[in-house]
Amino acid sequence: DSGVTQTPKHLITATGQRVTLRCSPRSGDLSVYWYQQSLDQGLQFLIQYYNGEERAKGNILERFSAQQFPDLHSELNLSSLELGDSALYFCASSVSALAKNIQYFGAGTRLSVL
Amino acid sequence: DQQVKQNSPSLSVQEGRISILNCDYTNSMFDYFLWYKKYPAEGPTFLISISSIKDKNEDGRFTVFLNKSAKHLSLHIVPSQPGDSAVYFCAAAIYNQGGKLIFGQGTELSVKP
Repeated sequence: DSGVTQTPKHLITATGQRVTLRCSPRSGDLSVYWYQQSLDQGLQFLIQYYNGEERAKGNILERFSAQQFPDLHSELNLSSLELGDSALYFCASSVSALAKNIQYFGAGTRLSVL
Repeated sequence: DQQVKQNSPSLSVQEGRISILNCDYTNSMFDYFLWYKKYPAEGPTFLISISSIKDKNEDGRFTVFLNKSAKHLSLHIVPSQPGDSAVYFCAAAIYNQGGKLIFGQGTELSVKP
């Protein structure tokens, strides 16, 4: 158990809809990361938050947004969903915002857009 | 543009032998490299890392080698065990640009008894 909790585990929805993925980081970790893993692909970095502030951004679509709340949990919002958004979405957390700090991953949320 | 590449989607090794997983990168700014292991239905788990100031880092049965001139790193597992069967991802980062990790596509290792 990594200590990172992601909910829900599975999500099935239709094209055009909006969903929210939730992540609770490990106790004491200030940094949260979101990654997307599509079929047969590696993990693609989406966005990083550190102590409530956006720290780094990857190739995140404009239809996607995220935030980190004062209690440090994070939410990833996906809107106007398309078939191609079907993927595994992972959240990770680390104690600080540096690459040398180990990122601990949750078990992921599997999103299926039908 | 795939900046980190793992060209072997799968690898099969006999128990007790050495497993060698390879990874190539294109961005010369990368100066920190990591390996993660992933079992089905779980998130990736950190395995080992190496800074670009080193060419080797060892942790028990796991050793990572870095060849900066070739922009190549490899993970050696000796001896391989059936429990090592998993997908292995290499990842790269620019140390002073935060924690953003760029991952390869992964190599599925199967260790047969």
